[in-house]
Formats: sequence, structure tokens, C-alpha cells
Amino acid sequence: DGGITQSPKYLFRKEGQNVTLSCEQNLNHDAMYWYRQDPGQGLRLIYYSQIVNDFQKGDIAEGYSVSREKKESFPLTVTSAQKNPTAFYLCASSIDLDRDYEQYFGPGTRLTVT
Amino acid sequence: DAKTTQPPSMDCAEGRAANLPCNHSTISGNEYVYWYRQIHSQGPQYIIHGLKNNETNEMASLIITEDRKSSTLILPHATLRDTAVYYCIVSPNSGNTPLVFGKGTRLSVIA
Repeated sequence: DGGITQSPKYLFRKEGQNVTLSCEQNLNHDAMYWYRQDPGQGLRLIYYSQIVNDFQKGDIAEGYSVSREKKESFPLTVTSAQKNPTAFYLCASSIDLDRDYEQYFGPGTRLTVT
Repeated sequence: DAKTTQPPSMDCAEGRAANLPCNHSTISGNEYVYWYRQIHSQGPQYIIHGLKNNETNEMASLIITEDRKSSTLILPHATLRDTAVYYCIVSPNSGNTPLVFGKGTRLSVIA
């Protein structure tokens, strides 16, 4: 089956630790995205990548970092500099940036930092 | 910032049509209207999009007013599984501007 996988579904970390969330897709999509969602809020864009070895900051990139070494993978690191890291994180992909309107989303990772 | 306005919540009886409104009075000529929905604790799902003509697919219909300042997503026969948050988004189809999701409308389908 083609799709996007995110793991784990739930993640717990202590404050001050960096944590990396994985996102893998086997759809052969060029573009990938990371969003954050807080309770009762819409999605906010953290980072996006148009192609391998290229990525751009979204609206709330501070305290996060990404890499895109492979087409299939777009991991997100939540650093200790992120002031409010507890949230639901969603990864998405699209055929390319021109077709970002048809994004396919992963199941999400719910991160809790205490 | 989201360029759309949607009611925060709506109810719909099961089997009836659900009509979800969206205002986008500042929409530009090159911007499309997109609809997504998000079932609780899952990723959003693309539903439909349009520029100025009405559109229909297996999931829903999209009605865009002639002046393009508002639109309505129609789920013709709502089921309990349609309970979700529905996002209306306007964005150019240029590939340079990722989608901006607002707070959406929480649709509750009631048996």
C-alpha cells in the first residue's frame, strides 16, 4: 500500500531534550510538509521541502529543524529551543509543490513534553 | 493568516444534506478554493477544489458564487462518519505558496 507513515503515534519526552519525529512516504512525491496542530486550532506550517536537499521555513519554524537527504524521508527535530513543543504533529506530501492542494497526510504523532 | 471565514461549528441530521459555508471576500483572481476535512486525531483529507465553476466528485459538491467571495461545500447525504472539522482554504495554484489552514468548521452529524 502506498502512503505516509509517521512513528511513533505517541511520544513522551522530558523538557530540554531534542526529539526527532519520523515521516516516510512511498508515493514518490517530491514535496513534503510538516504541520503542527494545537487543540481547537488549525494546522500551522513548520517546514516544507520541494525536493531532496532543499527545504523552506514555514510560519512557525523557530525551535525546529528538518533534513531531506532522501526523497522518501523528511524527519523533523523538535529542539529544546521550542518553547511549547507539546502538540500533534502532522506530516504530508504532494506530487510536487505545484500540486500542494492535494496533500496526503500521515496519521500524526502526538508529542508530550513534561 | 487564513483568508477565509467559517462558522466554528454546525450540526446536521444523519441522511440530510450538510451545507458548509465559507466566506473569502478578498480572494484573488488566481486563487482556488480548497476543502479538506479532519476526523478526530487523524490527518486532514483532501475533499475537493474549484476556481469559479461548481465542482462535484464522489465525496461532495462545491458551489462557488459568481463573485467568488463565498462558497458552500455540500455533503448530499451526511453520515455519522462525516463528523469532522472541515477546512476551507484559498490559495493560488502556483506551487509557491503552501496551504494555510484556519480553524475550520466542526460538523457534528447527529443520528
